[in-house]
Amino acid sequence: QKEVEQDPGPLSVPEGAIVSLNCTYSNSAFQYFMWYRQYSRKGPELLMYTYSSGNKEDGRFTAQVDKSSKYISLFIRDSQPSDSATYLCAMSEQGAQKLVFGQGTRLTINP
Amino acid sequence: GAVVSQHPSRVICKSGTSVKIECRSLDFQATTMFWYRQFPKQSLMLMATSNEGSKATYEQGVEKDKFLINHASLTLSTLTVTSAHPEDSSFYICSARGVSAADTEAFFGQGTRLTVV
Repeated sequence: QKEVEQDPGPLSVPEGAIVSLNCTYSNSAFQYFMWYRQYSRKGPELLMYTYSSGNKEDGRFTAQVDKSSKYISLFIRDSQPSDSATYLCAMSEQGAQKLVFGQGTRLTINP
Repeated sequence: GAVVSQHPSRVICKSGTSVKIECRSLDFQATTMFWYRQFPKQSLMLMATSNEGSKATYEQGVEKDKFLINHASLTLSTLTVTSAHPEDSSFYICSARGVSAADTEAFFGQGTRLTVV
């Protein structure tokens, strides 16, 4: 079993829809959670960074962390074709240098 | 967010030659940088952790003599692919976290697409 599980997709939704992306994990020591967006042939871009449980909102993006269920989510409201990319979740333990990544979900927003 | 600059973005080299990739943190100091390799449609594979002023820590299965890492300053790490072969063709990405390395956001460079012919 992988430490972090993420459905690779592909996921295709119409423009304007609400997108829900999820990751589950097995390591209860993870405390820091990140979501990255990666366009083809580019480096990942940090979208959201959260510590422990709770919600965080930034514009059209909302990140949720449920540590009791070992489950994190990224919601995208009013999705745009420019949101089409691969979304990677990543997490780390307190005091740890390394990040553990999910496999990434390929998302396409259709105009 | 912080900026990590990676250069070159694309490089083509002949088999048997060496290629150097640079990773710079432009507006923050990074005691630790990370080097990843990414195959098409796959996630990031950590190759090594680069520590300023000391030897890099390589992940299991990564040849340290083939992938030389030098972290000369708090803002610069380099990855040199020595005696490159076609199977080394891949997308290489660097990442840096803040001075403490732990418990901070990680920012990525733009990536380098290496093609060995």
